Amino acid sequence: AQSVTQPDIHITVSEGASLELRCNYSYGATPYLFWYVQSPGQGLQLLLKYFSGDTLVQGIKGFEAEFKRSQSSFNLRKPSVHWSDAAEYFCAARFYNQGGKLIFGQGTELSVKP
Amino acid sequence: NAGVTQTPKFRVLKTGQSMTLLCAQDMNHEYMYWYRQDPGMGLRLIHYSVGEGTTAKGEVPDGYNVSRLKKQNFLLGLESAAPSQTSVYFCASRSGGEYEQYFGPGTRLTVT
Repeated sequence: AQSVTQPDIHITVSEGASLELRCNYSYGATPYLFWYVQSPGQGLQLLLKYFSGDTLVQGIKGFEAEFKRSQSSFNLRKPSVHWSDAAEYFCAARFYNQGGKLIFGQGTELSVKP
Repeated sequence: NAGVTQTPKFRVLKTGQSMTLLCAQDMNHEYMYWYRQDPGMGLRLIHYSVGEGTTAKGEVPDGYNVSRLKKQNFLLGLESAAPSQTSVYFCASRSGGEYEQYFGPGTRLTVT
């Protein structure tokens, strides 16, 4: 079955440090890829998406993600983390011929140290 | 636009009770989805709808029923709640021409 994996359940970074959250999808045709953020007690907000073309995509709040076909990965990055970035981050994929359904990863909880 | 709204925000049920969660969207979206979120498991699709009057099963449909009588509303029903249905439920919608789903704020349900 097609799947999305986020290997890191919880990551802690210092404020101002760089951040990379990992996401891998199951091998096969390149899906459409998304990163969502969920602040405590809130719904999910779309950070960025990749459908095709340039493999480095820019999103909101200073986030970017790089698609690497050879690694089946779509990692999320931010050069300098702010305390307000503390949240849970979900990677999701829309695989071909799945009726538009999204498959979500398990989520990565980000904590930011002052 | 309010976007996607969910009612109620919180609910506590006793085992065996029934309830209906309401999702409403004002974006004229064709597609609507119900997910449940559990720790360490991400979001899992319960049921979805590709248009008014249609519904389909997702990944974890057992114990739930849905209805889409109006395009803007998608109802999720629990006929006989079980503690295993304690979760946060999210509704989402999207238009036919987009791939991005827009999420509601969630409903936190506890079944005791």
